[in-house]
Amino acid sequence: GAVVSQHPSRVICKSGTSVKIECRSLDFQATTMFWYRQFPKQSLMLMATSNEGSKATYEQGVEKDKFLINHASLTLSTLTVTSAHPEDSSFYICSARDSGRTSYEQYFGPGTRLTVT
Amino acid sequence: QQQVKQSPQSLIVQKGGISIINCAYENTAFDYFPWYQQFPGKGPALLIAIRPDVSEKKEGRFTISFNKSAKQFSLHIMDSQPGDSATYFCAAINAGKSTFGDGTTLTVKP
Repeated sequence: GAVVSQHPSRVICKSGTSVKIECRSLDFQATTMFWYRQFPKQSLMLMATSNEGSKATYEQGVEKDKFLINHASLTLSTLTVTSAHPEDSSFYICSARDSGRTSYEQYFGPGTRLTVT
Repeated sequence: QQQVKQSPQSLIVQKGGISIINCAYENTAFDYFPWYQQFPGKGPALLIAIRPDVSEKKEGRFTISFNKSAKQFSLHIMDSQPGDSATYFCAAINAGKSTFGDGTTLTVKP
């Protein structure tokens, strides 16, 4: 149980284009999902908290107009990197919290490797 | 200001040995402390977690020791195996939001 999927696992796009990454909770409902960014050999940096049916909460320094988050259902959140640039190349990871549990445990997706050329 | 400090940055242990990774936090509002294991190119996987009202939790070869007064907690991996070679992250959670340590790269030599 508690499986989170991400799609795509890898994506290469040209500078200036937009890329959408999907995060799905497969066997539980998640009113709250989180989006992280991870650089090589570094820790996870929280970008934003995604709440179903409401606007995402972005961390300080994260451009909300560049990283668009939509959490339209209890099992799906999407992150769209708009007008991507090479410096946006990174490993993006989502996580989800099980709405049916009172614990704070987060279940992570397998990540999406974005390369902007 | 980093709220969760993790050490060591890297660790090499012989097969069968004990791996110990330490974390220290400053914010006393943290109320849940999970450990994650991450393999290259994969997302983190929850290993074990503890609440601050418990001093120790054991699950298989993995044990968390928690010292509330010192604001420290550690992960012990008993009988370490080459398959345990990965990066380990501690985290501390407050109001549902996680703060991660910088990670420890563990290498278990056969």
